[in-house]
Amino acid sequence: EAGVAQSPRYKIIEKRQSVAFWCNPISGHATLYWYQQILGQGPKLLIQFQNNGVVDDSQLPKDRFSAERLKGVDSTLKIQPAKLEDSAVYLCASSLGVTGGSGYTFGSGTRLTVV
Amino acid sequence: SQQGEEDPQALSIQEGENATMNCSYKTSINNLQWYRQNSGRGLVHLILIRSNEREKHSGRLRVTLDTSKKSSSLLITASRAADTASYFCATDAGNYGQNFVFGPGTRLSVLP
Repeated sequence: EAGVAQSPRYKIIEKRQSVAFWCNPISGHATLYWYQQILGQGPKLLIQFQNNGVVDDSQLPKDRFSAERLKGVDSTLKIQPAKLEDSAVYLCASSLGVTGGSGYTFGSGTRLTVV
Repeated sequence: SQQGEEDPQALSIQEGENATMNCSYKTSINNLQWYRQNSGRGLVHLILIRSNEREKHSGRLRVTLDTSKKSSSLLITASRAADTASYFCATDAGNYGQNFVFGPGTRLSVLP
């Protein structure tokens, strides 16, 4: 089966600019996650979708980050305006069910550098 | 928030040796997962162990879970240079539907 697709692979922007990331999960996976991974740290959940509804966005900085999954399939994550501390790898993951009982499948991530 | 904490932070061993990484967590869980991340890549799911299980095997991997001590261990036997990666444990908070929270990881280096 095809994996989780993410684009772009790399992005360099200046602070205060905006950026968007795209994710296409594994076909049939109802649950989609966006994680932020700062260098040397573990991934931190930003938002969890179940189909096209938000399950958990408690750690999403809503003043600058937004995400949507309009048709319950692919998803976009946007940062506007970006700050230097947003430099990180943004990982998208999907799972078959909401419990993640079969594990998450991760994409390769988008490495964002804010200068 | 609920979080697993891996120990040690970094581990360096020779090829052929066994590598053991530990994960401790704070509150009761339903499931615990281990993931591997090669440099610059996404995470790869290794093993999921449920709270009513004590041990699981997958190839050269062995995971144990001690719910009384709120800890888990990942053992990699007969390590290879290709096992060089960061290893993360992820725990839920005991509520179905809860997402998994990742620890900071153990960086394993296997020297040829």
